[in-house]
Amino acid sequence: KNQVEQSPQSLIILEGKNCTLQCNYTVSPFSNLRWYKQDTGRGPVSLTIMTFSENTKSNGRYTATLDADTKQSSLHITASQLSDSASYICVVSPQGYQKVTFGTGTKLQVIP
Amino acid sequence: KAGVTQTPRYLIKTRGQQVTLSCSPISGHRSVSWYQQTPGQGLQFLFEYFSETQRNKGNFPGRFSGRQFSNSRSEMNVSTLELGDSALYLCASSVRTGRDTGELFFGEGSRLTVL
Repeated sequence: KNQVEQSPQSLIILEGKNCTLQCNYTVSPFSNLRWYKQDTGRGPVSLTIMTFSENTKSNGRYTATLDADTKQSSLHITASQLSDSASYICVVSPQGYQKVTFGTGTKLQVIP
Repeated sequence: KAGVTQTPRYLIKTRGQQVTLSCSPISGHRSVSWYQQTPGQGLQFLFEYFSETQRNKGNFPGRFSGRQFSNSRSEMNVSTLELGDSALYLCASSVRTGRDTGELFFGEGSRLTVL
């Protein structure tokens, strides 16, 4: 069964600090992995996409890593801002016509 | 380029009623998928349509149904509403590249409250 697990479930950090969110998956055969940011009450927005051959990708202060051998990904946020407060969802797509699998998300709160 | 548009944004229904939600995808996107999001469950996949055909279906009862029109717009319907159906319903569109799902572009969602 395809599964995506994220940790931690929630996280509180001080503004300006860094943090790392984790995503472990069992989706096979693997096609790509995306990280989405979802502000409260809004639809998710894509931050990064990573395919099998990529192991690091950056989008501003967001850096995603992928280890396809261990089936793990992480999202690192540098110099956090209050606007980073949101849920971060890991989404893994299999090859073919199977449906994508969502993690339950990490709820991040950045406090001043 | 306009994003994914969902209507209505908010609605309140009572148990036993039925509801229809609408989703207009980004122009050129032929794949539309629907999700239910509740605080404890995260995003749960409902179904996906591509070129008016249902490609995949999640584990929801038959009260949840959907369809896609020739212009790629999609609707989902929930009949005989239950209190547990209260949730944010999200629609996403994508451009399928070959057999793989492209990036999902989400709408702002329809917030359904069942009393």
